[in-house]
Amino acid sequence: GENVEQHPSTLSVQEGDSAVIKCTYSDSASNYFPWYKQELGKRPQLIIDIRSNVGEKKDQRIAVTLNKTAKHFSLHITETQPEDSAVYFCAASISGNQFYFGTGTSLTVIP
Amino acid sequence: GAVVSQHPSWVICKSGTSVKIECRSLDFQATTMFWYRQFPKQSLMLMATSNEGSKATYEQGVEKDKFLINHASLTLSTLTVTSAHPEDSSFYICSVTDGGVTDTQYFGPGTRLTVL
Repeated sequence: GENVEQHPSTLSVQEGDSAVIKCTYSDSASNYFPWYKQELGKRPQLIIDIRSNVGEKKDQRIAVTLNKTAKHFSLHITETQPEDSAVYFCAASISGNQFYFGTGTSLTVIP
Repeated sequence: GAVVSQHPSWVICKSGTSVKIECRSLDFQATTMFWYRQFPKQSLMLMATSNEGSKATYEQGVEKDKFLINHASLTLSTLTVTSAHPEDSSFYICSVTDGGVTDTQYFGPGTRLTVL
């Protein structure tokens, strides 16, 4: 099955700096790559996603890039704010049939 | 997006008892629901894919006789943890997709299971 790896496991940045989280996947058939933000004790919330026919997608301070050849995708958060502090998960899916998650990155934005 | 509910939100039970967790899609018919397990400070592990009207598809390593899934209607899937033991204590989260329209996944709020 699909294997998704995520790095780093923890990340601390100063407020206003950028944060980058990277994921790799193993199954070349995966074509949908969502990113989720999860606060303690709450459900994951979709923050951005990208499909395999697109190399980059941006939504305000959040962007995701995808390299299909290398099978890796990254989340970029610019101008970080304390409320960005949470655990972030990447996932890979084949057309939404199953979702396989990365191990998570605990992001701390220091005011 | 879809509204997904879970019940109960937290359950404490004695070892050896069975616990049923419900997942409801409140505003659209979900032919497919997913069940995940999440340990503290860890990732979501896909347990099974629940298909309405048919048997669930379990991921490798997940005991189907231990975790019984029933998806009897387009709005309800249940996960029953049979003969629960302390090691089954975890956060169980369901999700639904929008049936292939966008592949977007919507999560329920989760159920915390504590087995004493």
